[in-house]
Amino acid sequence: TQLLEQSPQFLSIQEGENLTVYCNSSSVFSSLQWYRQEPGEGPVLLVTVVTGGEVKKLKRLTFQFGDARKDSSLHITAAQPGDTGLYLCAGAERTASKLTFGTGTRLQVTL
Amino acid sequence: DTEVTQTPKHLVMGMTNKKSLKCEQHMGHRAMYWYKQKAKKPPELMFVYSYEKLSINESVPSRFSPECPNSSLLNLHLHALQPEDSALYLCASSFRTSGAKYQETQYFGPGTRLLVL
Repeated sequence: TQLLEQSPQFLSIQEGENLTVYCNSSSVFSSLQWYRQEPGEGPVLLVTVVTGGEVKKLKRLTFQFGDARKDSSLHITAAQPGDTGLYLCAGAERTASKLTFGTGTRLQVTL
Repeated sequence: DTEVTQTPKHLVMGMTNKKSLKCEQHMGHRAMYWYKQKAKKPPELMFVYSYEKLSINESVPSRFSPECPNSSLLNLHLHALQPEDSALYLCASSFRTSGAKYQETQYFGPGTRLLVL
């Protein structure tokens, strides 16, 4: 069974702080997605990264794909309460025809 | 448009009922997926359809029966469910299941929250 470990599992911070979430595996992925999910709703796609070493920015969110395409990170600058949610990474292996989901990071941003 | 729609939003059913969940996308995607998600856990894959054919069944009990009538629609038929089947059921779609990198990206619907009494 392929595993994607995310850390930390839970993070509670105040508005304005910065944070980084990590997603690590021993497997090589052809692409990796990051999603944010709110309670009772479906995961919303934030980004797809496909090239080793790739960095993508989405407003205050910065995503990086590891050089070997085995790991990824999500950095949030100046967190806001609207960033609260469950963050999931998910890797696609070329021949697997399905995603391997990370264990999830629950972020809570308070005023 | 990257929208996947699911109906109903909420469903309460008894263990003897028969019900169906519906999923629809009009993005031209040829891969569609059913997931089950328990609270505070990542989604668990149930079924994968590729070009309207079932390609993956993750050893799901037969009380769950998927159906893909055409390339835009995906159904999940439910019969004789158990209370432990209560969960959020998510549908997703992608251009293809694998191959070209961005084509693997899955887009999720809002989910159906199912409660089995």
